[in-house]
Amino acid sequence: NAGVIQTPRHKVTGKGQEATLWCEPISGHSAVFWYRQTIVQGLEFLTYFRNQAPIDDSGMPKERFSAQMPNQSHSTLKIQSTQPQDSAVYLCASSPGQGSQNTLYFGAGTRLSVL
Amino acid sequence: QQKVQQSPESLIVPEGAMTSLNCTFSDSASQYFAWYRQHSGKAPKALMSIFSNGEKEEGRFTIHLNKASLHFSLHIRDSQPSDSALYLCAVSTGTGGLSGKLTFGEGTQVTVIS
Repeated sequence: NAGVIQTPRHKVTGKGQEATLWCEPISGHSAVFWYRQTIVQGLEFLTYFRNQAPIDDSGMPKERFSAQMPNQSHSTLKIQSTQPQDSAVYLCASSPGQGSQNTLYFGAGTRLSVL
Repeated sequence: QQKVQQSPESLIVPEGAMTSLNCTFSDSASQYFAWYRQHSGKAPKALMSIFSNGEKEEGRFTIHLNKASLHFSLHIRDSQPSDSALYLCAVSTGTGGLSGKLTFGEGTQVTVIS
């Protein structure tokens, strides 16, 4: 089992450009979460899916951020018109999602740098 | 909105000593409490979790949970240099219950010195 796979590992964009981040969850896991991590804010929840359906996007900056899960094997996080304050490590996690199995398994993250 | 806070922000511990980390939360309806560990440049990884009041021990690690006090803690016995990492506490939040999102604290940076 390769674990949660995130690509790319590093992405550099210019201010105003678009960034798309990819996540492949662990096979068989029904829940997928997106978080971002910065030194100042720590680990912040963005959004999550269960069985591909969006459940909670309360952490997403509404205007420029969007997330999708078109099939059970991948999810994407898209940031339009990137701003310097979007610079962070974006972490995807998956979870078995059933009953007491609430453990999140994180990917290695995508480090986004907006110049 | 769930608020999760950790103390201290950082800690330096001699090798072999006990490391004690604290976490407070604001939502008394929270059901699931966990600790994650993140080594520098790596992904957070789950250490252990607890659902009900009391204590749970796994090897050198012990969790204490007191829901009435909105507090739980992690204790690491016989701390090793390999325990040096960022420790994150996490609490289940919202209507998803046990399968819902986790809200994380800002972390305690632990350094174990030989």
